[in-house]
Amino acid sequence: AQSVTQLDSHVSVSEGTPVLLRCNYSSSYSPSLFWYVQHPNKGLQLLLKYTSAATLVKGINGFEAEFKKSETSFHLTKPSAHMSDAAEYFCVVSDSGNTGKLIFGQGTTLQVKP
Amino acid sequence: DAGVTQSPTHLIKTRGQQVTLRCSPKSGHDTVSWYQQALGQGPQFIFQYYEEEERQRGNFPDRFSGHQFPNYSSELNVNALLLGDSALYLCASSFSVAGGADTQYFGPGTRLTVL
Repeated sequence: AQSVTQLDSHVSVSEGTPVLLRCNYSSSYSPSLFWYVQHPNKGLQLLLKYTSAATLVKGINGFEAEFKKSETSFHLTKPSAHMSDAAEYFCVVSDSGNTGKLIFGQGTTLQVKP
Repeated sequence: DAGVTQSPTHLIKTRGQQVTLRCSPKSGHDTVSWYQQALGQGPQFIFQYYEEEERQRGNFPDRFSGHQFPNYSSELNVNALLLGDSALYLCASSFSVAGGADTQYFGPGTRLTVL
């Protein structure tokens, strides 16, 4: 069965410093992986997705993630944090089969300090 | 182009009551999935509707049921509400392609509080 583990429940950075949110996945096949962001009292917004094309995936708002099969990781990075990046981030794997149901990690809260 | 819309935004019910939540998919999408997000948790898959039929179901009791209409909009019904049903209910729409489903786009959610 597919699963994802987000290694940090809470990450705190200063504005202008790099962001690293860590995610490991478990899948018996080549997975589709996503990062979604959720701002307080809002729905989920797609940041980026990996679907077996390039291993380095660029997303919106300067975020990117690298798929590393050998490490079963899909970490999310951003070179310079902005105050507006403060939110909850979810690493997600798509289930096998034709429905593509999404399996979410527990989430990482990103705090950005001025 | 309107995105995924959900109604109502908030809802307060008491234990034992029934509730209906509504979702209109993004233009051009034919598939609707529903997720439950408890406080402090990641969303959990409830079920997915395609061509007006339930295509896959997560680990939720039969008290949770749904429907998809010919215009692809969908309803989620929950009967005999329990305190534990209090959560944010998210609808996601996508376009089904051969061999799988495309990226899912989420609505803002309906916050259900059961007293």
